[in-house]
Amino acid sequence: GAGVSQSPSNKVTEKGKDVELRCDPISGHTALYWYRQSLGQGLEFLIYFQGNSAPDKSGLPSDRFSAERTGGSVSTLTIQRTQQEDSAVYLCASSQVMGGEYEQYFGPGTRLTVT
Amino acid sequence: AQTVTQSQPEMSVQEAETVTLSCTYDTSESDYYLFWYKQPPSRQMILVIRQEAYKQQNATENRFSVNFQKAAKSFSLKISDSQLGDAAMYFCAYRAGANSKLTFGKGITLSVRP
Repeated sequence: GAGVSQSPSNKVTEKGKDVELRCDPISGHTALYWYRQSLGQGLEFLIYFQGNSAPDKSGLPSDRFSAERTGGSVSTLTIQRTQQEDSAVYLCASSQVMGGEYEQYFGPGTRLTVT
Repeated sequence: AQTVTQSQPEMSVQEAETVTLSCTYDTSESDYYLFWYKQPPSRQMILVIRQEAYKQQNATENRFSVNFQKAAKSFSLKISDSQLGDAAMYFCAYRAGANSKLTFGKGITLSVRP
């Protein structure tokens, strides 16, 4: 079946603008994760959604970052008033929770460049 | 907090030879999982192999195997018969419990010489 998809593949934005990054998880996967990959910080966890539970936002670096997951499927990561240090690859992953299959499957990522 | 350390930033191996990538971790949990992910230039993270902490037997997937030393908190990846397609970044990752976030090491860039 289809894997995790993310859009856009690349995004260039000016400092101070808002951006939205989209993630379509694998159908039936109830858990969804966002990670950020940057040169200086490596791969960092940002936020985790599981079903109808309150999301784990413990990895969000500032209040400029927010995410939502509509209908338990598609997720959008929003960065407000972008800064140059937000430049990174943003990776989304999804996984099942039941049935013993917990592997996280990753999308191809969105490369964000803030100029 | 859990930490994952990959101390080698780069390694190189001759095609058809064997290479070992090192990883250490720190945790106070008893139930956890360890992973090696491969990231080629396409950015797609690909799961190479996983190890459940409660299993004493080292995991093996074709040419990939791990040396899991639980007491030493060490989790190395051995790639046998290296192929040009193995060239990529490799990340060691830790997960506490069955369904939780991944904590990654800094990664290692593996190059394969023809």
